[in-house]
Amino acid sequence: GAVVSQHPSWVICKSGTSVKIECRSLDFQATTMFWYRQFPKQSLMLMATSNEGSKATYEQGVEKDKFLINHASLTLSTLTVTSAHPEDSSFYICSARPTTGDGQPQHFGDGTRLSIL
Amino acid sequence: DAKTTQPTSMDCAEGRAANLPCNHSTISGNEYVYWYRQIHSQGPQYIIHGLKNNETNEMASLIITEDRKSSTLILPHATLRDTAVYYCIVRVGAAGNKLTFGGGTRVLVKP
Repeated sequence: GAVVSQHPSWVICKSGTSVKIECRSLDFQATTMFWYRQFPKQSLMLMATSNEGSKATYEQGVEKDKFLINHASLTLSTLTVTSAHPEDSSFYICSARPTTGDGQPQHFGDGTRLSIL
Repeated sequence: DAKTTQPTSMDCAEGRAANLPCNHSTISGNEYVYWYRQIHSQGPQYIIHGLKNNETNEMASLIITEDRKSSTLILPHATLRDTAVYYCIVRVGAAGNKLTFGGGTRVLVKP
């Protein structure tokens, strides 16, 4: 089945640090990938849609200069949390689906737990 | 995307079938029904999806009503490891379309 790999699984860093999270589709190509954020006891909230070779589309209220997204190839998207602060601590999850085939489901990575001290 | 309505929570007995309902009365003709689950501290796991016909795979069965306004996810023999939050999402099938997560159903499988 389709596999999405996310790295790192968890990261702890000091306030003001920038953190990069990678999302890879291991056995399929994905023109579009998605980045979500989940706070404790809440549902997943879509942050942005990552488009290969073009700019990401951000959801309302998500700062594009704060959360930099790069989708340089059909198998890799990265999310960089710039100058992270404690309020950015959260569970970040990416997803991707095969480019071809109507109705194909999205597959999710295992998430990255980010803790900012 | 069509909005879905699911029970907030439900308990199931281990070894018995678990039937999870989902209402999507405003679903459009080209929208699929997708089911995911999220076990604590993990990313969502894809379970099954369908458009019009009932579907079955190694994890579950999906029953979609003839008018497509509701569906039921069936876990045939629930185990303790099936304890999770289950999400029913409807969405057009094209690649660029995002998934919108609601509150889901918190399922607790009890011994």
